[in-house]
Amino acid sequence: DTAVSQTPKYLVTQMGNDKSIKCEQNLGHDTMYWYKQDSKKFLKIMFSYNNKELIINETVPNRFSPKSPDKAHLNLHINSLELGDSAVYFCASRDEWETQYFGPGTRLLVL
Amino acid sequence: DQQVKQNSPSLSVQEGRISILNCDYTNSMFDYFLWYKKYPAEGPTFLISISSIKDKNEDGRFTVFLNKSAKHLSLHIVPSQPGDSAVYFCAASAYSGAGSYQLTFGKGTKLSVIP
Repeated sequence: DTAVSQTPKYLVTQMGNDKSIKCEQNLGHDTMYWYKQDSKKFLKIMFSYNNKELIINETVPNRFSPKSPDKAHLNLHINSLELGDSAVYFCASRDEWETQYFGPGTRLLVL
Repeated sequence: DQQVKQNSPSLSVQEGRISILNCDYTNSMFDYFLWYKKYPAEGPTFLISISSIKDKNEDGRFTVFLNKSAKHLSLHIVPSQPGDSAVYFCAASAYSGAGSYQLTFGKGTKLSVIP
């Protein structure tokens, strides 16, 4: 049973396209996150959703929009993709004791 | 400015010996610390954590030590096994308001356990 799952695992697309990454967790957690791991390997938070409400938006370009249809899902939609968006994107959910559990990652390559 | 630092990008240890991974932080608001293990092409996997009110937490072969005055934590793995070879991320948690907590990660240390 996968606790936090993401689709797709790999995404190759052209500059200027719009794409979405889906995330689902079956842990019953109220808070979910999106992280970006850049070429320098830093994991940086992008968004946090607590019970479908946006809590954090860490100066991410507004081309990135998180959407949460329910508390088990947090999808990431990216408009007008740019070369610099190439990275690995991780979804996570948090338990009541501050521990976060991560999905397997989505490797995005913008050509 | 990096609030969580792992100054050793890599570490090699002989199988059966102790692995010690270090992490330093600067933000006094961090109240919970975690270690994650990451294999290539996979997401970070939670390993062990420690609250700021403790100085030690042990789980099997893994022990995390916290020195609040020095703003330093370390992960000890003993005995080290080849399967422990991975990248280890140190993370620190702080309350960011409205019921949400934010993790700040270090850059990771790649551990290689040599058989």
